[in-house]
Amino acid sequence: ELKVEQNPLFLSMQEGKNYTIYCNYSTTSDRLYWYRQDPGKSLESLFVLLSNGAVKQERRLMASLDTKARLSTLHITAAVHDLSATYFCTCEEGAQKLVFGQGTRLTINP
Amino acid sequence: DTAVSQTPKYLVTQMGNDKSIKCEQNLGHDTMYWYKQDSKKFLKIMFSYNNKELIINETVPNRFSPKSPDKAHLNLHINSLELGDSAVYFCASSPDAVREQFFGPGTRLTVL
Repeated sequence: ELKVEQNPLFLSMQEGKNYTIYCNYSTTSDRLYWYRQDPGKSLESLFVLLSNGAVKQERRLMASLDTKARLSTLHITAAVHDLSATYFCTCEEGAQKLVFGQGTRLTINP
Repeated sequence: DTAVSQTPKYLVTQMGNDKSIKCEQNLGHDTMYWYKQDSKKFLKIMFSYNNKELIINETVPNRFSPKSPDKAHLNLHINSLELGDSAVYFCASSPDAVREQFFGPGTRLTVL
């Protein structure tokens, strides 16, 4: 059974700083996704990572995938307040469903 | 022109009642899903339908019954509601099984 674990689960950081959220998964998975959820809102797709070594960047966020280590990272560069949200990583299990991590609640303070 | 829509957005009801949540997608996707997000924000799949056929049924109580009248709609009916059913329920869709999923706005269910 696929398990997805994120750390940290809570992260409070200052604007302008850099930080990384880690996502480990327990068994082979072909694809990994990162989603963002604002409080009281829906989930918004951020990145789809399809293969080992994949790297995707969107403004201050960069996601990478290492399938050999079963690890994905979401790196935040020079954080700004509007990046405050909960970030989920999720992997495909058996080409049938997504298994989600616990989510990382990110708070960026001015 | 909302991609995935759900109704109602909020649902407050008494224990023991029966309620339904409706979901519609206008993206032309083949697969639709129901997820439950608990108070700790943990998100877990409940059901998945592909072209109106059930393909995933997680360990969900029989009180929950999904229905897909066509591939653009997936409704969730819940019988005999319990306190533990209080959560946010999200509908999602994807072009085929698993691929990047698009989520609806969620339905916050509160059982009193």
